[in-house]
Amino acid sequence: DAGITQSPRYKITETGRQVTLMCHQTWSHSYMFWYRQDLGHGLRLIYYSAAADITDKGEVPDGYVVSRSKTENFPLTLESATRSQTSVYFCASSDSAASTDTQYFGPGTRLTVL
Amino acid sequence: GENVEQHPSTLSVQEGDSAVIKCTYSDSASNYFPWYKQELGKRPQLIIDIRSNVGEKKDQRIAVTLNKTAKHFSLHITETQPEDSAVYFCAASINSGYSTLTFGKGTMLLVSP
Repeated sequence: DAGITQSPRYKITETGRQVTLMCHQTWSHSYMFWYRQDLGHGLRLIYYSAAADITDKGEVPDGYVVSRSKTENFPLTLESATRSQTSVYFCASSDSAASTDTQYFGPGTRLTVL
Repeated sequence: GENVEQHPSTLSVQEGDSAVIKCTYSDSASNYFPWYKQELGKRPQLIIDIRSNVGEKKDQRIAVTLNKTAKHFSLHITETQPEDSAVYFCAASINSGYSTLTFGKGTMLLVSP
């Protein structure tokens, strides 16, 4: 599990500010994912990436931007944070030709937007 | 897209009892069904998964059953222990290409000593 890390672990920001959440994995996994976790909604996919420079939208992509210039990093940016983006964000990675093999989750980032 | 319903949302059992969590899915093409456990304040971790070519899979005290005709699958935990207390998530996916997991909303299991 130490192979996938997220930073920061906790973040408080204000409405309208740009925030970037970092995700780094040391396994050279092909697939990486961003989820948000909210009470009553479970885990919802924001964006995912099949490889460097290949990204695609998930269930709830609005208000978020991702990039993947290197295999090991998958940052998530909130361009103009809103209160509805207050959540716990999990990054995950998977080493498989199919995106549905075991996903290993990072420790999460708790984001509060005031 | 895929829709996964999970029941119950909360489940309280006494230590030693069995616990069953049920999920239904909508897309008949789904063929991969993992279960994740998330302890309080921790990350989700895979505990067991099943693919559509089998109807049941066991790993010590946990088992998963799959009914493709009815499009539902279940997690069974026997001889529950307090350390089984956690939130459990089911998920479903089509195991090909760029398909992704769709998670249920989770079941909070509380095992009382």
